[in-house]
Amino acid sequence: EAGVAQSPRYKIIEKRQSVAFWCNPISGHATLYWYQQILGQGPKLLIQFQNNGVVDDSQLPKDRFSAERLKGVDSTLKIQPAKLEDSAVYLCASSRLSIYEQYFGPGTRLTVT
Amino acid sequence: GENVEQHPSTLSVQEGDSAVIKCTYSDSASNYFPWYKQELGKGPQLIIDIRSNVGEKKDQRIAVTLNKTAKHFSLHITETQPEDSAVYFCAARTITGNQFYFGTGTSLTVIP
Repeated sequence: EAGVAQSPRYKIIEKRQSVAFWCNPISGHATLYWYQQILGQGPKLLIQFQNNGVVDDSQLPKDRFSAERLKGVDSTLKIQPAKLEDSAVYLCASSRLSIYEQYFGPGTRLTVT
Repeated sequence: GENVEQHPSTLSVQEGDSAVIKCTYSDSASNYFPWYKQELGKGPQLIIDIRSNVGEKKDQRIAVTLNKTAKHFSLHITETQPEDSAVYFCAARTITGNQFYFGTGTSLTVIP
């Protein structure tokens, strides 16, 4: 079974630029999560999808972050405009349903200069 | 919301010794407690989990214990090996919204 795929693996941008991350969850997994992991900290949930609907986005900075999962499979997370404090690893995870264990992708390391 | 605290932040053990990492949580309604291992440059990998109706679970050299009354759970690694060196995260899932809250991580170093 293929794991959660993410791209790109690394991205360096200047502040005020925009960036997008892509995630392909494990086949058949209805629930998809985006997390932000700042160096030295645990992952923090940004948004949770159930199929193509948003379950929770209470910690997503909606003035600059957006995410979508149009067909209930792949998802993209966008930041526009980026700030220095957005430098972090962005992790995507998926689970069959939200009550089951979740599996993480390798993450995208974003550096904002 | 849920608050998960994890200790210690760093841990060094000699190869073959045991390692214990402890977490506490605040929401008594949390019902699922996974542990993840994160190696450098990789995403967290689920290594063991426990549900609120179970007090202990073991998988080879790894075990997790849960004390619901005290709201704490622990990861035990026995006969540690150098390849156990990594950052370990605990997490708690809340019943409302099925959201996961993570601890701040423990950097484990196993000295050969």
